Amino acid sequence: GNSVTQMEGPVTLSEEAFLTINCTYTATGYPSLFWYVQYPGEGLQLLLKATKADDKGSNKGFEATYRKETTSFHLEKGSVQVSDSAVYFCAASQGGSEKLVFGKGTKLTVNP
Amino acid sequence: DTAVSQTPKYLVTQMGNDKSIKCEQNLGHDTMYWYKQDSKKFLKIMFSYNNKELIINETVPNRFSPKSPDKAHLNLHINSLELGDSAVYFCASSQRRTSGPGETQYFGPGTRLLVL
Repeated sequence: GNSVTQMEGPVTLSEEAFLTINCTYTATGYPSLFWYVQYPGEGLQLLLKATKADDKGSNKGFEATYRKETTSFHLEKGSVQVSDSAVYFCAASQGGSEKLVFGKGTKLTVNP
Repeated sequence: DTAVSQTPKYLVTQMGNDKSIKCEQNLGHDTMYWYKQDSKKFLKIMFSYNNKELIINETVPNRFSPKSPDKAHLNLHINSLELGDSAVYFCASSQRRTSGPGETQYFGPGTRLLVL
């Protein structure tokens, strides 16, 4: 089955720093790739997604590009804010399958 | 309006008890899920139903029994609760595709279960 490996945290940055959270996947076929964010005490929210190779997902200043050649979907943001402090999950699904496989999550803390 | 709702939000109970968690979605989705998030934040799927039919059943003790009275509801009943069942349980829903890209799953706020 599919598996997702993401950079282990926690990650602590100062406001306006550049953020990268690495995510790689193993899968048969062509999965859709997702980044979800979980703010403290809340459920997961979709941050962005990409459904085919070379697609770039973007939202709220975050971006990730589906790289088939490196099986990666790294999350980036040019300038983080304190409000970005949360746990970020990379996930992969198989086309036509309902199963979503998550990475272990990366906790991000942004200090003022 | 809340898209995916769960009740209760918090559940504290004694070992050996039986408890239920309810989930409802008003998105008109066909597919619903239960996930378990452990203390290290690791998220793992437990079950998935499509139009009241069980389609994913991961390796979960048979003390856990999902029930879907209709496609907008998926409840989770847990018998003989154990300490290791303490976790956050998330319900989610999505529109089903039989082919093509995977659909986005929409998550509820979670139910924090503590077994004493």
